[in-house]
Amino acid sequence: QKEVEQNSGPLSVPEGAIASLNCTYSDRGSQSFFWYRQYSGKSPELIMSIYSNGDKEDGRFTAQLNKASQYVSLLIRDSQPSDSATYLCAVKRYGNNRLAFGKGNQVVVIP
Amino acid sequence: GAGVSQSPSNKVTEKGKDVELRCDPISGHTALYWYRQSLGQGLEFLIYFQGNSAPDKSGLPSDRFSAERTGGSVSTLTIQRTQQEDSAVYLCASSTGRTLSYEQYFGPGTRLTVT
Repeated sequence: QKEVEQNSGPLSVPEGAIASLNCTYSDRGSQSFFWYRQYSGKSPELIMSIYSNGDKEDGRFTAQLNKASQYVSLLIRDSQPSDSATYLCAVKRYGNNRLAFGKGNQVVVIP
Repeated sequence: GAGVSQSPSNKVTEKGKDVELRCDPISGHTALYWYRQSLGQGLEFLIYFQGNSAPDKSGLPSDRFSAERTGGSVSTLTIQRTQQEDSAVYLCASSTGRTLSYEQYFGPGTRLTVT
């Protein structure tokens, strides 16, 4: 079982719609969760961090964490063409220094 | 403020040569990480430095890879006798190193091509 899993297929959403991304993780000892955005040819950019169960909102982004079900999700409201990118889910396990990353979800916002 | 910087941005080298990649973390960040990202692969952890503690080298793929961090700031990742499978983007990240503050910020990366 992979440490962090994300749906591999590209997600196409019309401009103004909500994009929903999901991520599951295998280690119940995971304590910190992050979403990064990566434009083609660029490095990952941190957009959200979440540590506690529930929702965390920042502008058009909402991260949702459910530790019991071991998943974390990202909602992008009012999607814009500039949101077209690959979104990486990252997880930090307790007592472990590194981040484990999923393979990413490509989002394409169609004008 | 200034983010994480890396140099060179691109490096093309011949198989068997040694290369050095440099990372300058965000000022005041005590934690520094190296990852690599290969085409079609996720980000792979390589090594972690925190202050004066012994580095976590658990992600280094072979003994051809080494890294050091001098003066608690700049880090150099060295790959000896490069192989074609070493071709990847090498990413450096830093974080504050404070407890309960684990956000990592990435530099622009070094794209390494081994011919």
